[in-house]
Amino acid sequence: QSALTQPRSVSGSPGQSVTISCTGTSSNIGAYNYVSWYQHHSGKAPKLMIYDVTERPSGVPDRFSGSKSGNTASLTISGLQAGDEADYYCCSYAGTYTFRVFGGGTKLTVL
Amino acid sequence: EVQLVESGGGLVEPGGSLRLSCAASGFTVSDYWMHWVRLTPGRGLVWVSRLSSNEDIANYAESVQGRFTSSTGHAKDTLYLQMSGLRADDTAVYYCARGIAGTSVAFDLWGQGTMVTVSS
Repeated sequence: QSALTQPRSVSGSPGQSVTISCTGTSSNIGAYNYVSWYQHHSGKAPKLMIYDVTERPSGVPDRFSGSKSGNTASLTISGLQAGDEADYYCCSYAGTYTFRVFGGGTKLTVL
Repeated sequence: EVQLVESGGGLVEPGGSLRLSCAASGFTVSDYWMHWVRLTPGRGLVWVSRLSSNEDIANYAESVQGRFTSSTGHAKDTLYLQMSGLRADDTAVYYCARGIAGTSVAFDLWGQGTMVTVSS
C-alpha cells in the first residue's frame, strides 16, 4: 500500500476534463505545500508536470493544473488529448525522516 | 542534451549485490540533490534514497537502510547505488532523479530506468 491514495484509473473523452485526487495525511500533504505530479508513459522517463502544488515547469501546457485542500491534492487535466494517456503519480514531501511519499498511480485512459 | 541514463540492472539471487549507475549529461550531479526512486507493479513509485550536492548528506528509505549506499563518481557526472543483501521485494525498475533547484523538493529530471530482478 502506498502512503498516498490515488484512484486506480480515470477516463475521459478528448476535449473533456478529468481530475485525479491524491489523499494523504496531516504528516505529508496536509503539512507541506510540496505536492508534485508526474506523468509516466511506460518504458519512458517520468515527467514532472506540477510542483509545489500549483506550479508548472516550463514546457508543460496550462491544460495541467494542481490544487490542494487539507490532506488531498488534485491534478486536473483539461482539453484531454490522446497523448495525455499515461500513468500519473502524486508525490509529497513528508518531513526529515520519511522525506518523500508517492501515490500508487492513476491510469488515465482517453476514450 | 540534459538527461540521465541508468544502467547496471539485471537478475541477481537473493542476498546478492548489484551496483546501479546513473550517467548525467548536460549538468553535473554534484550540483544537485540526486535521488533514487523505484517502481513496482504492486506499489507504484517508492522513494529510495537521496544524496546531497556535496555528498555530506545521504538518506535512505527504512526498507533499504543499511543495505543500499548512494554515491557519486570521481568525475561527478555519475550517480551510483550500491545494493547489497538484496531481497525479492527489491525487485523493481530503478530510476535516478534530479532534485529541482531552489527551495522546492520535486524531481525535475528522470532517467528511463533500469530493471532489477531478485530471484533464485
